[in-house]
Amino acid sequence: AQRVTQPEKLLSVFKGAPVELKCNYSYSGSPELFWYVQYSRQRLQLLLRHISRESIKGFTADLNKGETSFHLKKPFAQEEDSAMYYCALSASWGGGYNKLIFGAGTRLAVHP
Amino acid sequence: KAGVTQTPRYLIKTRGQQVTLSCSPISGHRSVSWYQQTPGQGLQFLFEYFSETQRNKGNFPGRFSGRQFSNSRSEMNVSTLELGDSALYLCASSLDGRWGKTEAFFGQGTRLTVV
Repeated sequence: AQRVTQPEKLLSVFKGAPVELKCNYSYSGSPELFWYVQYSRQRLQLLLRHISRESIKGFTADLNKGETSFHLKKPFAQEEDSAMYYCALSASWGGGYNKLIFGAGTRLAVHP
Repeated sequence: KAGVTQTPRYLIKTRGQQVTLSCSPISGHRSVSWYQQTPGQGLQFLFEYFSETQRNKGNFPGRFSGRQFSNSRSEMNVSTLELGDSALYLCASSLDGRWGKTEAFFGQGTRLTVV
């Protein structure tokens, strides 16, 4: 079964502390994974994708196929990082098409 | 260019009624997906349309349906509303439906409250 699990509903840290948002996936094929972010009163938007191996706003995420994980990390959290973060998996099904499957989300709260 | 537009933004309906939500994708985008967002469940996939054809459907009852028009605008309909249908309904558009290959752009959603 195709599934994305984000075990933490809420992650609360102080400004300047390291952040790790956990994401585990279940997928038999070759996964494509993403992190989407939703700031307060804004629409959901793409933060980063594993295939790009990029760092956006100081965030990075490494795909670990052995542990089926794609954790999102930032060494020093900022207050403006407070938002809802969703891990997503692009999964294929018959016909060659694919769809995005999202985890339940983790709310990151960064306190001053 | 204009983003994904969803109308209406807010809706209050009574149990048993039906509702139609609309989504206008980014110009040139041919694929539209719908999601139900709730605090406990996150984003649950409803269905996806590409060039007026439904390509995939999530695990929702038949009360949830949708369609796509030739201009790629999409509507979703929920009949016989239940209290549990209260949620934020999000629409996402993609250039060619290769979710993951191309970025998905989301609308601001329609907040549906069933009373």
